[in-house]
Amino acid sequence: GQSLEQPSEVTAVEGAIVQINCTYQTSGFYGLSWYQQHDGGAPTFLSYNALDGLEETGRFSSFLSRSDSYGYLLLQELQMKDSASYFCAVRDGGGKLIFGQGTELSVKP
Amino acid sequence: DGGITQSPKYLFRKEGQNVTLSCEQNLNHDAMYWYRQDPGQGLRLIYYSQIVNDFQKGDIAEGYSVSREKKESFPLTVTSAQKNPTAFYLCASSKGLAGVTKNIQYFGAGTRLSVL
Repeated sequence: GQSLEQPSEVTAVEGAIVQINCTYQTSGFYGLSWYQQHDGGAPTFLSYNALDGLEETGRFSSFLSRSDSYGYLLLQELQMKDSASYFCAVRDGGGKLIFGQGTELSVKP
Repeated sequence: DGGITQSPKYLFRKEGQNVTLSCEQNLNHDAMYWYRQDPGQGLRLIYYSQIVNDFQKGDIAEGYSVSREKKESFPLTVTSAQKNPTAFYLCASSKGLAGVTKNIQYFGAGTRLSVL
């Protein structure tokens, strides 16, 4: 089966850098994705890693190590609007996404 | 504008009642999904459909039913057999198999269902 683990909550201050980790167990690997969800809103896609290394998109970066079954989302120059829940997700062999439980990020002034 | 529309935003169900949540997309996506989200939890897959007139059960299909008669529409019915239906329901779509499209799914704004 598939399972993902990520911290339940993280707190950081405005302007800082924060890293949200995700470890996964899968039977076959088809990429690690990250989604952002503001309270009561729709999840939105942030990034995707299929190969080892770092992918950068503006203030957000995502890293993957397939040998360690591990990835992280890095948020730089934190802003208050970054306060949200962040989910990592992997695809199973049937094409479905399996989501982690989510990490609630609180950005303090 | 292309996107996914879910309605209603809020829905109340009485005991023993079936209710239907609407999901419409104009993204020309083949695959559509229904998720349930409980407070402080991740997304759990209820049903998904990769083509018209075909759908598969997800991890928590019991007490729910779906149909996919049109590419654009994927309604979810919460039946009276679902004893704990209070949750936030999210509909999503993707171009096709998740791995082909960078695992990108596009989500609607959700329907919050409560039991009276």
